[in-house]
Amino acid sequence: SQKIEQNSEALNIQEGKTATLTCNYTNYSPAYLQWYRQDPGRGPVFLLLIRENEKEKRKERLKVTFDTTLKQSLFHITASQPADSATYLCALAMGSGNTGKLIFGQGTTLQVKP
Amino acid sequence: DTGVSQNPRHKITKRGQNVTFRCDPISEHNRLYWYRQTLGQGPEFLTYFQNEAQLEKSRLLSDRFSAERPKGSFSTLEIQRTEQGDSAMYLCASSLGTGEAFFGQGTRLTVV
Repeated sequence: SQKIEQNSEALNIQEGKTATLTCNYTNYSPAYLQWYRQDPGRGPVFLLLIRENEKEKRKERLKVTFDTTLKQSLFHITASQPADSATYLCALAMGSGNTGKLIFGQGTTLQVKP
Repeated sequence: DTGVSQNPRHKITKRGQNVTFRCDPISEHNRLYWYRQTLGQGPEFLTYFQNEAQLEKSRLLSDRFSAERPKGSFSTLEIQRTEQGDSAMYLCASSLGTGEAFFGQGTRLTVV
């Protein structure tokens, strides 16, 4: 079965620096990969989607890369702010018979210190 | 439309009782998903509807769990004979086709 691994240790960085979060997966490649933000006690909020034929996607201070050879996605937040502190979830949607069902990693908690 | 709505936000129940949660998706979304999330973990897929048809169920969904989506609008998730292991956040999400999923705020269930 598909497994997704995110760094379970919290990532602590200084305000203004770039945060880089990693998502690794095993087995077959997904049709697309998504990143979500989750604040305590709230549902996940969609951030970015990248398809298997795309290498990189950007949205404002966010950048996602997708390397199907390494089976890895990197999520970058540039010029990080304390308001970026949250848990970030990587999610995969599988290919054939794609229902839109997502398989999530366990999330990485980011703490941005002023 | 203000997004996906879930009710109640919190539910405390005694072991053995039945509980029912409701999800109102974004109105034009044809796909609806239920996930369960425990502390420190990512959401786990439970079941999926396309319109009113329940097309996939996870093996996590035991016989005590049932979900419906009558008329392809709102959905309910019922847990019968609750157990302490059912304590979790139950999340509903909807989408238009595949792609970005919009999540509700979840229902936090505590079984005592």
